Order: sequence, then C-alpha cells, then structure tokens
Amino acid sequence: DAGVTQSPTHLIKTRGQQVTLRCSPKSGHDTVSWYQQALGQGPQFIFQYYEEEERQRGNFPDRFSGHQFPNYSSELNVNALLLGDSALYLCASSYPNQGVNSYEQYFGPGTRLTVT
Amino acid sequence: AQSVTQLDSHVSVSEGTPVLLRCNYSSSYSPSLFWYVQHPNKGLQLLLKYTSAATLVKGINGFEAEFKKSETSFHLTKPSAHMSDAAEYFCVYSSASKIIFGSGTRLSIRP
Repeated sequence: DAGVTQSPTHLIKTRGQQVTLRCSPKSGHDTVSWYQQALGQGPQFIFQYYEEEERQRGNFPDRFSGHQFPNYSSELNVNALLLGDSALYLCASSYPNQGVNSYEQYFGPGTRLTVT
Repeated sequence: AQSVTQLDSHVSVSEGTPVLLRCNYSSSYSPSLFWYVQHPNKGLQLLLKYTSAATLVKGINGFEAEFKKSETSFHLTKPSAHMSDAAEYFCVYSSASKIIFGSGTRLSIRP
C-alpha cells in the first residue's frame, strides 16, 4: 500500500512565476492538508481539502490556492512567486472525516521549491 | 491565542541515556496534542497523540509523553536513546480552528 506521494521532488522557479505541486493521499484517505516548511522552522498549515472543498485555511494569502479531485488527490498552486515562498511543501492525508482536532495525519516526503 | 513552544532547539544525549524533549502549549480549550518526528529527507511520522483520554501516552519506538494540564506541558521522553533516534521532533497543537507546529527540537545522539 503506497503512502502519501508528492511530485515533483524538487523544483526551481523564478520570481513572478506560477507553480503547481501535486499530492496523492494514502489509500482510503479522503482528506488532504498542505503545509509550508521554511528552512529551520516547523511546518505552517496552508489549507485542508475534503470532498473537493477547502474546509479550513491557515494564514496564507490568496496567491496560494488548491484543488481536490474526485479521486482525492490534490494540487497546491502558488501564483506570483516570491523569494520567501522557497520552502519544503508537505502534503498530509488522513482517514475519512475525523475532523481537524483529533485525526492522525500521514505525511508525504515533500516538494522542495526554490524561488530565484 | 493558542500557541505551542518547544523549549529547546537542540538536545544532545549519549546513546543509552534518557531523552527529554520539552513542549508547552497555551490554550483556552482542551487541546489535541501530537509529537511527530522528521528524519532527514523524509516526511513527518506520528510518534504519539493525546486526545483527552489517558494523560500518559505511549507511542512508537519506546517514546511516551505525559499531558499535564496544570503545567500546560506535553513533554516527550524515552528511557534509553538509540542512534536511530537522531532526528527533528515537532510538538503539534490541534483544535477546532487551528493546527500549530512547534519550531522543532533537533535531537543528536552521541556514541
């Protein structure tokens, strides 16, 4: 059983460009969350998707948007990239409808985004 | 406002000695608290979780944590460190409206 997978592994973009990161959840999971982890810091919650809708959002600007597909996979889109968007982007999936406060999340290995 | 603070950015112990990683939280509500471990170039792995059941929580790889409401703490311990325990550890607070990661504690193990 494959765990959470993310693609690509690494990505280099230029300021002002747009980027799309992809995530496939663990089999049987229907909820996907995205996090940004800057170097030397803990992950920051971006948003969570459930039933193809954004269910909860952290303190990130509208440049960060997402999508969830019927097969529960998800994309994270970032527009107008800034140097400060350079980070490891983590995707996590969880069991059906456990709610935000008590569920167990399974994390992918992340996508390392470098903005130059 | 809710917050989680990991009191040590780096902890170094000798192999075979006890490990203590400290975490304090601030919340008006009953939180759910987690500890995750991140090995280099790998994703985060759940070690253990507290969700208002037993205050002493046992996790994987011999780790455990005790929820102390009076001290607003959720410290992670292990009786005997192993070389494979070297990694970054995150304390996580979760409520109905927020998911907050601590800044992390890097655990080093001396041979």
